[in-house]
Amino acid sequence: QVQLQESGPGLVKPSETLSLTCTVSGGSVNSGNYYWSWIRQPPGKGLEWIGYISYSGSTTYNPSLKSRVIISLDTSKNKFSLKVSSVTAADTAVYYCAREYSSGRHDYWGQGTLVTVSS
Amino acid sequence: SFVLTQPPSVSVAPGQTARLTCGGNNIGSDSVHWYQQKAGQAPVLVVYDDRDRPSGIPERFSGSKSGNTATLTISRAEAGDEADYYCQVWSISSSGHPEVFGTGTKVTVL
Repeated sequence: QVQLQESGPGLVKPSETLSLTCTVSGGSVNSGNYYWSWIRQPPGKGLEWIGYISYSGSTTYNPSLKSRVIISLDTSKNKFSLKVSSVTAADTAVYYCAREYSSGRHDYWGQGTLVTVSS
Repeated sequence: SFVLTQPPSVSVAPGQTARLTCGGNNIGSDSVHWYQQKAGQAPVLVVYDDRDRPSGIPERFSGSKSGNTATLTISRAEAGDEADYYCQVWSISSSGHPEVFGTGTKVTVL
């Protein structure tokens, strides 16, 4: 059974960089069949796709966030990470990591972690 | 940008059928997936590739698509089906924005 677990600071100051890590167990981030995604959900609002990374390290980002987002892969530790720079209150959200299978379906999700942007 | 439109809310009586729609330009050519999100929990995939169900999802959940509208049908609704439901599309033809979630529908079982 694949499991994903997000980790990182729950509070980030405005203008700083949000950094989260997703640790994968029960499966390998090296697998050629999957992408590894980040998705977020502001309090009381809907889901927003942030971007994904493939096993080879190629990335695709939401155009609305592209200038501030970096997703990276650490195959030696079987984890992938998210960085969002120059954060504002609008970046306050529950951040989920997920495994993405062919045709874009997210079949396994982490439990989510709330990140609040506040001074 | 690509937008998937869902009705904000749907109400259904226990034992009855709820139909949730998801509309968007050109989704007829892309796979549509559906997620159930209960309060305080992560989303769960309930239908993928328009009409397939992951293992463990009851047959009461079914998907279909006609033209630019996809539909998630919940048959014999139960109290435990109360949740937010999101559709999602992955479109390699949507230049630079391949992945979009719908606006979400809150299902209430009265």
